[in-house]
Amino acid sequence: NAGVTQTPKFQVLKTGQSMTLQCAQDMNHEYMSWYRQDPGMGLRLIHYSVGAGITDQGEVPNGYNVSRSTTEDFPLRLLSAAPSQTSVYFCASSYGGNSYNEQFFGPGTRLTVL
Amino acid sequence: GIQVEQSPPDLILQEGANSTLRCNFSDSVNNLQWFHQNPWGQLINLFYIPSGTKQNGRLSATTVATERYSLLYISSSQTTDSGVYFCAVATLETSGSRLTFGEGTQLTVNP
Repeated sequence: NAGVTQTPKFQVLKTGQSMTLQCAQDMNHEYMSWYRQDPGMGLRLIHYSVGAGITDQGEVPNGYNVSRSTTEDFPLRLLSAAPSQTSVYFCASSYGGNSYNEQFFGPGTRLTVL
Repeated sequence: GIQVEQSPPDLILQEGANSTLRCNFSDSVNNLQWFHQNPWGQLINLFYIPSGTKQNGRLSATTVATERYSLLYISSSQTTDSGVYFCAVATLETSGSRLTFGEGTQLTVNP
């Protein structure tokens, strides 16, 4: 199993550009989520999904969109990048339709917005 | 929303020492997990422990849900234990679907 994969590992954007961060898992996990981690802070939940076709907002959803058309993939879209979105983004997945079970994290995407 | 506070924010140890990390939370939880983020940024789940005590090798954790805190014990610390330790919780209000993280404890173990 590849586990949770994220692409790209690094990305530099200019203000106003859009892009999609990819997240995929091959463990047939129902629950998937996106977090951002800023220096000296814990992870903050952006969006999550409890199964294909179902998504919901987390703590800091503004400026981000998600969709979940398949169990495996959970892409995160930045609509119009802003410097405040400079961060490290982590995708996670777990068995079941909630966060109770062991969370498996991807390696992260380091995003810089100029 | 629920508040999660971790202490101490920073901890420096000599190899072989023991340590206790604390996580306080402001509301009843039905989900509490401890994570380790290594110096390369990888996050690993250590424990799912909404109540009670669990042990895994040199690590153990105890959650006293009625008093709203959890403790992570690291015994005979090794340099590979270095990194940031996070506590994360979820409440009944969100049906366990939303994890809230603390700000972490930065642990440095010197040889």
